Amino acid sequence: DQQVKQNSPSLSVQEGRISILNCDYTNSMFDYFLWYKKYPAEGPTFLISISSIKDKNEDGRFTVFLNKSAKHLSLHIVPSQPGDSAVYFCAVPIKAAGNKLTFGGGTRVLVKP
Amino acid sequence: NAGVMQNPRHLVRRRGQEARLRCSPMKGHSHVYWYRQLPEEGLKFMVYLQKENIIDESGMPKERFSAEFPKEGPSILRIQQVVRGDSAAYFCASVGTEGSPLHFGNGTRLTVT
Repeated sequence: DQQVKQNSPSLSVQEGRISILNCDYTNSMFDYFLWYKKYPAEGPTFLISISSIKDKNEDGRFTVFLNKSAKHLSLHIVPSQPGDSAVYFCAVPIKAAGNKLTFGGGTRVLVKP
Repeated sequence: NAGVMQNPRHLVRRRGQEARLRCSPMKGHSHVYWYRQLPEEGLKFMVYLQKENIIDESGMPKERFSAEFPKEGPSILRIQQVVRGDSAAYFCASVGTEGSPLHFGNGTRLTVT
């Protein structure tokens, strides 16, 4: 029973263009969402988050959009850089379970120079 | 301020041996989570511990796996009688207060031969 889904396992984009990563969730009670970035042989690092009281949160080149009615969030990276090549995970804390994070399956982004 | 430290980074065990994975959380963090990432999959929650207490072990296999977080020293994830299917990257994360983003270590890559 996947509560968080990332339906695109991979994405290839040209340097300078926009990367759009998508994430769907099942539970309308979720009220906080995070994106993590992971390089090979390293642990995930926190990238950006959004609370359900907002529909957009921006941090430099990274913007997360939240569509509560569709139970969908997306991460936009503009402009994409080769150093952004990594696997990106969306995640939701499960409050009833000590805020443990449930992760999507990840999207591998390749930014071509 | 050192981040989450995991050791060893790589661990090779033969089938039937024991694997011990260690995690030292960030200074001041008293909440530790263990996650497992199988090849080409996302991160799956295993166990959540606070000092001397297991809070949620719903993601732990019922047999052969155990975890502890003693009053002094690192958190230990122990896998007895390892099998090939245990080969994965095991990540530890810590947090100071619930609701804050998790900080991950760089993982231990376990290979069972």
